[in-house]
Amino acid sequence: DTGVSQDPRHKITKRGQNVTFRCDPISEHNRLYWYRQTLGQGPEFLTYFQNEAQLEKSRLLSDRFSAERPKGSFSTLEIQRTEQGDSAMYLCASFGRVGSSYNEQFFGPGTRLTVL
Amino acid sequence: KQEVTQIPAALSVPEGENLVLNCSFTDSAIYNLQWFRQDPGKGLTSLLLIQSSQREQTSGRLNASLDKSSGRSTLYIAASQPGDSATYLCAVREGGGADGLTFGKGTHLIIQP
Repeated sequence: DTGVSQDPRHKITKRGQNVTFRCDPISEHNRLYWYRQTLGQGPEFLTYFQNEAQLEKSRLLSDRFSAERPKGSFSTLEIQRTEQGDSAMYLCASFGRVGSSYNEQFFGPGTRLTVL
Repeated sequence: KQEVTQIPAALSVPEGENLVLNCSFTDSAIYNLQWFRQDPGKGLTSLLLIQSSQREQTSGRLNASLDKSSGRSTLYIAASQPGDSATYLCAVREGGGADGLTFGKGTHLIIQP
């Protein structure tokens, strides 16, 4: 499968615990994005990487959130001391061409986080 | 700050009808606009991408138009089918290096068999 993959697909945790999500982009794409989507809303941009460099962070990304892309391939998003308001779908996207398409963002299936 | 609005929020029509989904954006300085489909609990599937220099894009029964100066895009779905039932999201990518997409809240579409 040459698409974007995310792991895990679902995560249930208790308030106060730390969670980490992983995203594997399309292999030849050097840009990787994280978004958060709450129920009934469109996705909201969190942060993005070009290779291993984190170039932009939204104000939505509080101090409890950290993202890394250490070797410019897969990325991790960690949430520390989770709160119920963190419950959402976390989407990853990679940017580039697939076949004859334009440069565009290709999304993974998402990780659904539920904080109890 | 860019804002994207989609109208209607929800739409239910009988199978076979042609329909139009609307998207508007407040800042016309966009790089491109993308329409996505999202099935319940799933990720996003790209349907059509329109560059700022283009007026429309077509893929099968889907046609998307862009009027950048007025800040509007429409997604036209011809001969709708029950399998078209999903949430349709519009997103803009702004110029000037701000690469994060700005999304609307989506139109929840139900096609009745």
